[in-house]
Parts: sequence; structure tokens; C-alpha cells
Amino acid sequence: AQTVTQSQPEMSVQEAETVTLSCTYDTSENNYYLFWYKQPPSRQMILVIRQEAYKQQNATENRFSVNFQKAAKSFSLKISDSQLGDTAMYFCAFSPSSGKLIFGQGTTLQVKP
Amino acid sequence: DAGITQSPRHKVTETGTPVTLRCHQTENHRYMYWYRQDPGHGLRLIHYSYGVKDTDKGEVSDGYSVSRSKTEDFLLTLESATSSQTSVYFCAISETYRGGETQYFGPGTRLLVL
Repeated sequence: AQTVTQSQPEMSVQEAETVTLSCTYDTSENNYYLFWYKQPPSRQMILVIRQEAYKQQNATENRFSVNFQKAAKSFSLKISDSQLGDTAMYFCAFSPSSGKLIFGQGTTLQVKP
Repeated sequence: DAGITQSPRHKVTETGTPVTLRCHQTENHRYMYWYRQDPGHGLRLIHYSYGVKDTDKGEVSDGYSVSRSKTEDFLLTLESATSSQTSVYFCAISETYRGGETQYFGPGTRLLVL
């Protein structure tokens, strides 16, 4: 079975500091996509970043970057210069060749002033 | 904004009643999805559609049916609602983004079954 695991239910970080959220997944496929979505208190699901498994280069989007370790099946999200607006639940998701999304359980991030 | 709306946004209903949730998109996307979100489970796929009248089951499809008679509308029906179906329901579409398929979500529908 294909699974996604986020081992940190809750995390906190001081404003302007850096935080890393962990994600591991299990699959036998070679080609797939990985995503991080953000869900603020409004409950809207917002795409943060996407990584293609065939690309060795780690994806970056402004203050957000990933550390993709394909052999270890690890996909962590690093948030630099954390802002109060980054307070949200973050979901790691895996998309196999079928195109469906499989989500982790989520990590609640609190950014403290 | 991928042009996705969901209706209703909130609904309270009683056990045993039928409920239909609507997802509407304005950008002619072929693929549409229904997920439910529950504490400790993230989002789980209920059903999805890959075209008009073409649908398939997801991970947690028991107790749910779907229909897609037009490209823009994807309906989720709870034939006889149960308290275990109290959840937040999200619709999503799939769109090509930087050469790969990416799902974008609607605002969600909060359903309470009493």
C-alpha cells in the first residue's frame, strides 16, 4: 500500500526563524509527484510546493524549499524567515502515476511573535 | 484560484436523510475529485471523475455516490446520511502546472449529521 507519514503532529517556531517539517512515504513506483499543501484557519487548501520524482534538484518557492531524498523516500519542507501568516496545518501528499493524491495526517505549525 | 465553488458551504442534516453536495468549476477541467477531511486522517479520496459520465471509486467510497452529467458540475450524494459522514468535504480539479498534473481545491463544505 502507498502511504504518507508525517511524524510531527505539532510544531512551533519563532517569527523570522527557520523550521523544517518532515514527511516520509512508501511506494514501489519510480515516477510520481510530491506536494506540500497549507491549510490556514480558513480551511482553504493551498498548494505550497511541488516536486517531480525524476528531478534531482530540490524545488523552491520563495521562502519554501524541500529536501527530497528519493532513496530514503523522504520529502521535508523548510520554511525560512517564518511569518505569522505561515501559521497553518501543512499536509504532505503523494501522487502516483494514477494521478490520485494520498495525504499524510498533517502537521500543525504555530509561528510565534 | 482555479475557479472552483462548492455548495452549500455549511449543512446540518439528520441521520437517514439524503444529502447532495455540488462542486462547480468554470475552466473545463477534465478531472474532478471529492475528498473528506477528518481529524487524524488528512484528506481521503471518496470518488473521482475523468470526464462526463466517467467516474470511479476512491479509498472511502462506501455510502457515497457521484454523478457528472456536465463537465462543470460534479455532485456527491449521501443516499442516507449517517453520523460517521460528519466531515469537511473538499472538491478538487486537476490542472497541468509547470508540466505536471496538480490538484487545486475548492473552499470545502462542512457537513454535520445529527
